[in-house]
This record gives sequence, C-alpha cells and structure tokens, in this order.
Amino acid sequence: AQTVTQSQPEMSVQEAETVTLSCTYDTSESDYYLFWYKQPPSRQMILVIRQEAYKQQNATENRFSVNFQKAAKSFSLKISDSQLGDAAMYFCAYRRVMTGTASKLTFGTGTRLQVTL
Amino acid sequence: KAGVTQTPRYLIKTRGQQVTLSCSPISGHRSVSWYQQTPGQGLQFLFEYFSETQRNKGNFPGRFSGRQFSNSRSEMNVSTLELGDSALYLCASSLDSNNEQFFGPGTRLTVL
Repeated sequence: AQTVTQSQPEMSVQEAETVTLSCTYDTSESDYYLFWYKQPPSRQMILVIRQEAYKQQNATENRFSVNFQKAAKSFSLKISDSQLGDAAMYFCAYRRVMTGTASKLTFGTGTRLQVTL
Repeated sequence: KAGVTQTPRYLIKTRGQQVTLSCSPISGHRSVSWYQQTPGQGLQFLFEYFSETQRNKGNFPGRFSGRQFSNSRSEMNVSTLELGDSALYLCASSLDSNNEQFFGPGTRLTVL
C-alpha cells in the first residue's frame, strides 16, 4: 500500500521569506502523480502544484516549486516570497496512474504553515 | 466555470439517523470522489464514481454508500449514524481518473 509522510506538523515563516515543506512517500509503482494541496481555514482544498513521476523536471507554479527526487521518494514544496495568504494546512498527496479504473488520492497528515509579519 | 458545489454545508444529526450529502461536479467532469476528513484519521478515501458506476471503494463499513446520476451529480448516504462519523466530507471532481481533482467546500457533519 502506498503511504505519504509529512514529518513537519507545523512550520512558521516570515512574510517575504522562503519556506520548504517536506514530504516522503512509499510506493512500488513507477508511474504516479504527486500533488500539493492547500487547505485554508475555509476548509476548501485547493490544488497548488502537480508533478508527474515520469517527468524529471521539477514543477513550478509562480511562487511555488517542488523538489522531486524520485529515487529518494521525496517531494518537497518550496514557497518563495511568502505571503499572509499562504497561511494554511498543506497536504502532500499521491495518486497512482491507472487505466480503466479509478485511483484514489492518498494524503499525508498535513503541515500547518503559519506566516508571520 | 462554476466549481464543485456541495450541499448542505453544515449538518447536525443524532446517533442512529441517516444522512444524505450532495455533490455537483464541475461541468463536464464525469468522475466524482468522496473523502472523509477527521482530526484523528486525516483524509481518507470513501469511493469514486464515474459515469454512474462505482469504480473504487475505500475501507469504510457498508453504512457508507453512494451513487451518481446521469448528470454526474453524486450523493453519499450514511445510515445508522455513529458519533465517529462526525467529520468534514469532501467531494472532488475530475475529467477522468487520471486528471487532477478539484474539491468542493465540504459538508461539515456533526453527530450528537
């Protein structure tokens, strides 16, 4: 079974600074997706960034980028120029690529990010 | 394009009752997945529907069921509610099983 581990329950960053959230996963599959979702106090889960396992290039979305290390099964999220609106719970998630049927998202336990002035 | 909508947003029930939650996916999305979020267990997959067929099911008792209609709207039902069913229930839609999932705002269920 696939597992996703986020070892940092809470992180804090000052506004305008950079922070990195860690995520490791365990799978025997070679083809899969990895995601970072953000859940602000409103509880709406928002997709931040997505990485396909077959792509060596790390995904980036504006201030958000990932460091994907497939051999180490590591998938960290870097937030640059942190803003107050980045304060939220961040979940790392794994999804196996399947054909003809559905593949569920497996989530980590989350990292609560606090942004201070 | 309108996002995923879930109704109701909040619900209070008592033990033994049953409840039905509704999810309307993004227009054109045919896959709907349901997740349960609790402080103790985190986010857990309940089931996924595609074109009115359940394609995957998580490790939940038979009291949890769902269905999907021809317009892709989905409902989940929980019968004989228990205190432990108190949770945020999230619905997510995607074009198909290998596209990213977009989540609704959730339904907060409280069982007294």
